[in-house]
Amino acid sequence: LAKTTQPISMDSYEGQEVNITCSHNNIATNDYITWYQQFPSQGPRFIIQGYKTKVTNEVASLFIPADRKSSTLSLPRVSLSDTAVYYCLVGSGTASKLTFGTGTRLQVTL
Amino acid sequence: NAGVTQTPKFRVLKTGQSMTLLCAQDMNHEYMYWYRQDPGMGLRLIHYSVGEGTTAKGEVPDGYNVSRLKKQNFLLGLESAAPSQTSVYFCASSYPPRRDNQPQHFGDGTRLSIL
Repeated sequence: LAKTTQPISMDSYEGQEVNITCSHNNIATNDYITWYQQFPSQGPRFIIQGYKTKVTNEVASLFIPADRKSSTLSLPRVSLSDTAVYYCLVGSGTASKLTFGTGTRLQVTL
Repeated sequence: NAGVTQTPKFRVLKTGQSMTLLCAQDMNHEYMYWYRQDPGMGLRLIHYSVGEGTTAKGEVPDGYNVSRLKKQNFLLGLESAAPSQTSVYFCASSYPPRRDNQPQHFGDGTRLSIL
């Protein structure tokens, strides 16, 4: 069961690019890396998932180096509405083995 | 499209009382999950179901029971509530994980306080 380590909190100004790094030294060969976003009083929401290299969608990019022992979620030009907790999950195809850590609390200010 | 709906949204119980939390999804997902989230902690998996009529234990199953009689519903029961079960409970659903992890769709939670 791959354990993940993320910074507890980060601060950013509106309009900046934010990069949140997740360490997962024990990632298994079949494991995927998945990121979720959670606003207060809401359930988590899927943002992006990747296996290796780079993945980009309409809201974020995910960078995964060749050794896959870490990953970086990149949020371009954040706004106040991006203030949330971001969770990095590592696992593969088994419902019981996806573990949400404590996440990274991102605070965006003007 | 409602997605994942949890009822009730809030509840206060006394120690020893029982109750059932209901989760309903309209996305025809095979997999459903119950998590609890405590202050300063991430989500911990209580029980999950890979299909109608099946359930399995997650990370913290003690004190809870579940049932999946219909594909769209997943019930979480507390037989004898304890203060340690005060938490926010989230239900989620997804398609079956294959090689990758199918995104889980979450409800907005049930805030449960046990006095």
